[in-house]
Amino acid sequence: AQTVTQSQPEMSVQEAETVTLSCTYDTSESDYYLFWYKQPPSRQMILVIRQEAYKQQNATENRFSVNFQKAAKSFSLKISDSQLGDAAMYFCAYRSAGWGGSQGNLIFGKGTKLSVKP
Amino acid sequence: KAGVTQTPRYLIKTRGQQVTLSCSPISGHRSVSWYQQTPGQGLQFLFEYFSETQRNKGNFPGRFSGRQFSNSRSEMNVSTLELGDSALYLCASSLALGVNYGYTFGSGTRLTVV
Repeated sequence: AQTVTQSQPEMSVQEAETVTLSCTYDTSESDYYLFWYKQPPSRQMILVIRQEAYKQQNATENRFSVNFQKAAKSFSLKISDSQLGDAAMYFCAYRSAGWGGSQGNLIFGKGTKLSVKP
Repeated sequence: KAGVTQTPRYLIKTRGQQVTLSCSPISGHRSVSWYQQTPGQGLQFLFEYFSETQRNKGNFPGRFSGRQFSNSRSEMNVSTLELGDSALYLCASSLALGVNYGYTFGSGTRLTVV
């Protein structure tokens, strides 16, 4: 079974600085997708960025970028120029490229709580 | 366009009772998934529906059930509530099955069992 591990329960960053959140995963599959979701106090899970395992190029969305190391099964999120609105829980998630049975759902890590100091 | 709507937002129930939670997906979305979020276990997948059929199921007891209607709205039901069922229940909708179609989550229903 696939697992996702986020080793940092809490992180803190100064406004305008850069922070990196860590995520490792375990899978025997070769084709899968990885995601970072943000959950602010409003509780809604918001997709931050997604990475297809077959793509070597790291995904980037504005201030958010990932460092995807497939061999090491590592998927870290870098937030540049941190803003107060970035404060939230961040979840790393895995999904098999197939669907049906136990493949189609998202498998989440336990999350990292990010605080942004003004 | 309207997002994923979950009702009610908060719910308090007594142990042994049953509860029904509702999820209205984004218009045009045909797939609905449910997740349970607790401080101890984190986010766990409950089930996924597409075209009124359950396509995928997580590792939860039979007390947890769901259904999807012809308009894609979904309900999940928990019978014989236990204290451990207290959680945030999140619903996510997608245009169709398959990872190419991203999920949009609702704001969840906070269930407290006393």
